[in-house]
Amino acid sequence: DADVTQTPRNRITKTGKRIMLECSQTKGHDRMYWYRQDPGLGLRLIYYSFDVKDINKGEISDGYSVSRQAQAKFSLSLESAIPNQTALYFCATSEIRTSGRDTQYFGPGTRLTVL
Amino acid sequence: GEDVEQSLFLSVREGDSSVINCTYTDSSSTYLYWYKQEPGAGLQLLTYIFSNMDMKQDQRLTVLLNKKDKHLSLRIADTQTGDSAIYFCAEVRRGRRALTFGSGTRLQVQP
Repeated sequence: DADVTQTPRNRITKTGKRIMLECSQTKGHDRMYWYRQDPGLGLRLIYYSFDVKDINKGEISDGYSVSRQAQAKFSLSLESAIPNQTALYFCATSEIRTSGRDTQYFGPGTRLTVL
Repeated sequence: GEDVEQSLFLSVREGDSSVINCTYTDSSSTYLYWYKQEPGAGLQLLTYIFSNMDMKQDQRLTVLLNKKDKHLSLRIADTQTGDSAIYFCAEVRRGRRALTFGSGTRLQVQP
């Protein structure tokens, strides 16, 4: 079984709809992240959480919200989807080591299309 | 990824070496990473280098770090068709708590 899972894998929705993307992990990591990927722009950080009570905005948080329901679950919501939120969304987890190294492990991605 | 720059595309022949380049911005970055994204998949860590190192070798992969020029490169020896993917470099910047990624380099390996 995959360590980091995302549901759904693909979603097509209409402008104005509320959408929730879910992420679950079995790695036991405290840190979780949501990124979006657009062609030619790499990955941009939307939100991140370093433990259940810690939520932080990333570079491009406008139009998004998150919920860290448990150590293993981190969901991303689009309250009112718009077409420029069409992208590939990735969840990631990490656990910082004593050396300071912080390797991130990615889910398979959710392809979201907003019409 | 703002200010972490990579060329967008590289094409090589099978068996040749590939060199993917990256320039980053923060001289205080402690670790720099290379991730690989295969079609339809998420990113997976390929390798990393600590900032006090100049070079790291891992089988067919060689990472070179030039701190003075803030330049990072990934060399893949004996490139295979299975190496075709998008390669991202990433850094952790001072004052930030998450990775900053480059825009990715698409490596195409011709048989």
